[in-house]
Amino acid sequence: AQKVTQAQTEISVVEKEDVTLDCVYETRDTTYYLFWYKQPPSGELVFLIRRNSFDEQNEISGRYSWNFQKSTSSFNFTITASQVVDSAVYFCALSEVPSGTYKYIFGTGTRLKVLA
Amino acid sequence: EAGVAQSPRYKIIEKRQSVAFWCNPISGHATLYWYQQILGQGPKLLIQFQNNGVVDDSQLPKDRFSAERLKGVDSTLKIQPAKLEDSAVYLCASSLVGGQQETQYFGPGTRLLVL
Repeated sequence: AQKVTQAQTEISVVEKEDVTLDCVYETRDTTYYLFWYKQPPSGELVFLIRRNSFDEQNEISGRYSWNFQKSTSSFNFTITASQVVDSAVYFCALSEVPSGTYKYIFGTGTRLKVLA
Repeated sequence: EAGVAQSPRYKIIEKRQSVAFWCNPISGHATLYWYQQILGQGPKLLIQFQNNGVVDDSQLPKDRFSAERLKGVDSTLKIQPAKLEDSAVYLCASSLVGGQQETQYFGPGTRLLVL
């Protein structure tokens, strides 16, 4: 069954600490896409990154970095030197084709609290 | 470029009442999605439109939920009659053509509370 697991329900860190959010996925597809979204208190889901199943290169964007490992079906997200503005719920999502239509399967999210 | 617009932002109704939500996608986006996000969970797809046609409504509770996108642009999601368990955030998203690799862009959502 296609599934996305974010085992960390809530994480609290002190500002400037590094934090890693875990994402483990299951899929039978050989071609799939993985996404990370941020949901601040305002409620809007903000797109952070997209990665396809054939590209295992890690990516860095400012303080954000992503580690994709097909061998362990994981797509983890690290924030370096966290800031209070990073406080939000972060969702990992898998794009698959279960029945001919492309659908996002979301994890349950990880709430990150960055304390000043 | 304007993002996905949704209204209202908040709605409180009593059970058995009806309610409607409106969404205007990003200009030029052919695919529109409605998601339900219950507190503490990830968004769950309710219905997907490609232009004005339904692509996937397998998880839409059709006995009480309905949605339309008559002119292939904005869309309305209706609940009638509402139940307590419909309390959630309803998110609208859009993408260019609906391909697997495409990024979906989300609106701010409508928070519904059913009393």
